Amino acid sequence: ETGVTQTPRHLVMGMTNKKSLKCEQHLGHNAMYWYKQSAKKPLELMFVYNFKEQTENNSVPSRFSPECPNSSHLFLHLHTLQPEDSALYLCASSQEDRHRNSPLHFGNGTRLTVT
Amino acid sequence: ELKVEQNPLFLSMQEGKNYTIYCNYSTTSDRLYWYRQDPGKSLESLFVLLSNGAVKQEGRLMASLDTKARLSTLHITAAVHDLSATYFCAVDMEAGNTPLVFGKGTRLSVIA
Repeated sequence: ETGVTQTPRHLVMGMTNKKSLKCEQHLGHNAMYWYKQSAKKPLELMFVYNFKEQTENNSVPSRFSPECPNSSHLFLHLHTLQPEDSALYLCASSQEDRHRNSPLHFGNGTRLTVT
Repeated sequence: ELKVEQNPLFLSMQEGKNYTIYCNYSTTSDRLYWYRQDPGKSLESLFVLLSNGAVKQEGRLMASLDTKARLSTLHITAAVHDLSATYFCAVDMEAGNTPLVFGKGTRLSVIA
């Protein structure tokens, strides 16, 4: 399998549930990202991991918790979410060096609905 | 703070017609990306524009970059229904490893 794979594709969860989104990249990249895509809003960067270290979180609420066990896998742990968190969550990867990044390669996303 | 503005945000055009989508950005950049997103699908990379005056073409789409005007265009020639999608531009700041900033996207609908 190639590219960036996300599971599950769709997720419906209650506000008291705990769930996790999974992302795996098969491109040999060293950076992975979580983006949130809501209706009528630009893509919002949530988390960046390069070299397995989180470098940015853009003030994301603590009910979203990322985990990057290695350069190929990225998780987004969800708990006590709100209905406004319903969105498409996109994972992406890129190859970073000291100077510039390669283009982002996106997964197909997880469509999350919080009830 | 880098801001990226696309216009129009919605575009309905007839098959066979030409049109241009614009992407303006607020600070210095020398690298710009265009992505396509079909409904319910991921973002697919279309073009990477790496320098002032860069022009790239793929089929009925042509993208250009003017870094002095801080403007990129995506020109559609003789539109066909298969081009219906949302198109995003994303800008990479010159300074180091900063994340891309995306525009809001242009939702294109090509009708017969």
